[in-house]
Amino acid sequence: LAKTTQPISMDSYEGQEVNITCSHNNIATNDYITWYQQFPSQGPRFIIQGYKTKVTNEVASLFIPADRKSSTLSLPRVSLSDTAVYYCLVGDLPRGGYQKVTFGTGTKLQVIP
Amino acid sequence: DVKVTQSSRYLVKRTGEKVFLECVQDMDHENMFWYRQDPGLGLRLIYFSYDVKMKEKGDIPEGYSVSREKKERFSLILESASTNQTSMYLCASSLRGVGTEAFFGQGTRLTVV
Repeated sequence: LAKTTQPISMDSYEGQEVNITCSHNNIATNDYITWYQQFPSQGPRFIIQGYKTKVTNEVASLFIPADRKSSTLSLPRVSLSDTAVYYCLVGDLPRGGYQKVTFGTGTKLQVIP
Repeated sequence: DVKVTQSSRYLVKRTGEKVFLECVQDMDHENMFWYRQDPGLGLRLIYFSYDVKMKEKGDIPEGYSVSREKKERFSLILESASTNQTSMYLCASSLRGVGTEAFFGQGTRLTVV
């Protein structure tokens, strides 16, 4: 199972772009990279997922270099409501098609007014 | 909208009690998961199930068991609750297959006294 390493915490001012990088050196060929967001007293919520290159949705962008050993979640123009913990994870896809989803400790993003 | 519902938001139990945490999902997902979340440790996988009556141990299964008699319901059982099982418990579900997202419940905060 691929392990992930990400910063424990980050601070950013409102309106800035925030980039959170995750390291996953032993990512396997079949692994997808997924990011989740968690607010206090709530369950995590899916943000974005990718396999390689760049993925963009209405919330964020995900950049994955060719070697896939790291990925960067980019949040454009953050607001106070983006203050949350962000988890990077890679999926484990053994034969049989089911996926075990394992989380690390996440990055606590604090947006400052 | 996918809904994952956990039976209780808060629970207080005594040491040695048998505790049942119930989780129900309404999207016909094959996979279901139980995590616990503790400060500084992130989300840790306890058990997961990829089909009815099927289960796999996660990273920290000791002291827990699970039951999945119906596809929509996944129960976590603490056979004899201990104070070190005081935690936030999160249930999730997902479709089987490559790169699927997991949907989480709101969590159950369990206190064992």
